[in-house]
Amino acid sequence: EVQLVESGGGLVQPGGSLRLSCAASGFTFTSYEMNWVRQAPGKGLEWVSYISSSGETMYYADSVRGRFTISRDNAKNSLYLQTNSLRAEDTAVYYCAREYSWNALDIWGQGTMVTVSS
Amino acid sequence: DIQMTQSPSSLSASVGDRVTITCRASQSISSYLNWYQQKPGKAPKLLIYAASTLQSGVPSRFSGSGSGTGFTLTITSLQPEDFATYYCQQSFSTLYTFGQGTKLEIK
Repeated sequence: EVQLVESGGGLVQPGGSLRLSCAASGFTFTSYEMNWVRQAPGKGLEWVSYISSSGETMYYADSVRGRFTISRDNAKNSLYLQTNSLRAEDTAVYYCAREYSWNALDIWGQGTMVTVSS
Repeated sequence: DIQMTQSPSSLSASVGDRVTITCRASQSISSYLNWYQQKPGKAPKLLIYAASTLQSGVPSRFSGSGSGTGFTLTITSLQPEDFATYYCQQSFSTLYTFGQGTKLEIK
């Protein structure tokens, strides 16, 4: 079964850090570009970051550039999002998603909740 | 960044109705437009990609059209399981953006 499972969310104080992980299974991870998308409570979807299949190319939304870092370990079939200098407005469910044809996101994880609060 | 604007923001309809949701891009995105369905507490589900290509396993009552800056998602003969929130997303630029969502509710 094709599956993405996120982990690493939790409660963190403003200015703190978290490392989110996404474990992929059921497909050839090395062949796919990957993304992180987040959703604040009661709000819409916000694209956060992209990484190429090789890990050499990354893009970030303006709202997180300079604070978040996307990476992957193809040997471990895993995707990561290092989140630093967290703010209250970063509170959201964070989803990892596989990129498909025409850059659509066809497989999504169940999400991991990040809460930034003192 | 490319801005995506959906309309309406919410919509009430009945089982069996036909509904149309519109998505407009702030600049041309060719056919790099995708539609997702999200139910409460669940991850989004890809319905349509490349503006009009139905994702595998998605019922044929869903259809998409458009190119450039104007796009539509149409659902014919609404079923109870279709009541959800729908998002468009442009994947033309390197910085992807979503529309604000359209909540489809039961009348």
